[in-house]
Amino acid sequence: SQTIHQWPATLVQPVGSPLSLECTVEGTSNPNLYWYRQAAGRGLQLLFYSVGIGQISSEVPQNLSASRPQDRQFILSSKKLLLSDSGFYLCAWTQGGGTWGSGNTIYFGEGSWLTVV
Amino acid sequence: KQEVTQIPAALSVPEGENLVLNCSFTDSAIYNLQWFRQDPGKGLTSLLLIQSSQREQTSGRLNASLDKSSGRSTLYIAASQPGDSATYLCAVSRGAGNMLTFGGGTRLMVKP
Repeated sequence: SQTIHQWPATLVQPVGSPLSLECTVEGTSNPNLYWYRQAAGRGLQLLFYSVGIGQISSEVPQNLSASRPQDRQFILSSKKLLLSDSGFYLCAWTQGGGTWGSGNTIYFGEGSWLTVV
Repeated sequence: KQEVTQIPAALSVPEGENLVLNCSFTDSAIYNLQWFRQDPGKGLTSLLLIQSSQREQTSGRLNASLDKSSGRSTLYIAASQPGDSATYLCAVSRGAGNMLTFGGGTRLMVKP
């Protein structure tokens, strides 16, 4: 069966420090991968998605970046965190195979709580 | 730009009641609509996925309907239980793929 792992679960970082959140998927190959953010009092917002290694699309301009160094690994990074980066970050995946699966269920990780102080 | 709205934002009901959660979206050109459940501080669990060509989907006590032309979906929960307490989110998929636009959620409390 497929599973998705996301870490760290929680972290508190000072303003201006770097960030690295990691997500891995097991039990499938060539998944479509996503990073979402849920800020306090706001809905879930898509940040990045990827259909393959090295292929990253950004939905919103910000000081965050994403990378996909391996097929089932998705990393969210920042060189210098802002207070506004605080929130609940969720990684997700769907069946891929190089094509979009509009009918595929999306599976979310357990999330990472980031507090920037 | 697609906007998704969920009403009510919060709902408290006694155990055993049947209830309806509402979701509306502004752009009817969607690929699918999904309902999720989110427990406090946790990730999302997919409940139901309705393709744009479908009218409804059912899973156990849950039934979701989709009226694409009017930009509406409802999630019906039958015989609610305290374990149903959670935030329920609807999301629509635009274009190809699962780039989802989420509503703000309905926070449901079912009292024993």
